[in-house]
Amino acid sequence: DIQMTQSPSSLSASVGDRVTITCRASQGIRNDLGWYQQKPGKAPKRLIYAASSLQSGVPSRFSGSGSGTEFTLTISSLQPEDFATYYCLQYAIYPRTFGQGTKVEIK
Amino acid sequence: EVQLVESGGGLVQPGGSLRLSCATSGFTFSDDYMDWVRQAPGKGLEWVGRSRNKANSYTTEYAASVKGRFTISRDDSKNSLYLQMNSLKTEDTAVYYCARAPYSTSSGRTYGMDVWGQGTTVTVSS
Repeated sequence: DIQMTQSPSSLSASVGDRVTITCRASQGIRNDLGWYQQKPGKAPKRLIYAASSLQSGVPSRFSGSGSGTEFTLTISSLQPEDFATYYCLQYAIYPRTFGQGTKVEIK
Repeated sequence: EVQLVESGGGLVQPGGSLRLSCATSGFTFSDDYMDWVRQAPGKGLEWVGRSRNKANSYTTEYAASVKGRFTISRDDSKNSLYLQMNSLKTEDTAVYYCARAPYSTSSGRTYGMDVWGQGTTVTVSS
């Protein structure tokens, strides 16, 4: 199975901060990676697919980059509604695997 | 609007069975692949399995943790996805989500799950 390692596991940030979350795959997955946001008690919401394509309706402050084994999700200016847990997902190979999550908290 | 609504969760004893359903609307269900994903209390997301579409013979994939115990099926006439769970273990306790994985006929593949249901809770306990 492909292991997806996210870092950091949690972070504290202030409104307006630039936030970067990294996901590393244990083997190359081309650009077959998505990023999801999950708020407590809610279903995950897709933000990014194909590593860097913005899901329709998602604010442009979210962006993704990377290919192969190293991927990044960036929030350019953190907003109050962005405090949540973020997951990466590889869909290159079965079984699909998620990162362990990054919880973004208010500083 | 694409909607996915799970149902069928509940409390079941270890070794028991449960069948989850996912009713869908707002898209051509028969065209797309569908996945089940679960989340144990306070834990991260775990992919459970997939149902491919009719064009790909409704074949399925499963996580190792559920293979041989869980069965995914679908009824395109009812726009519904199912998860039959047998020989349940306490570690199967989780919120179960169904999610759509849109199939691209031009590329012959999917690009991850785009829309998710609200989830249904399964508790395995004596």
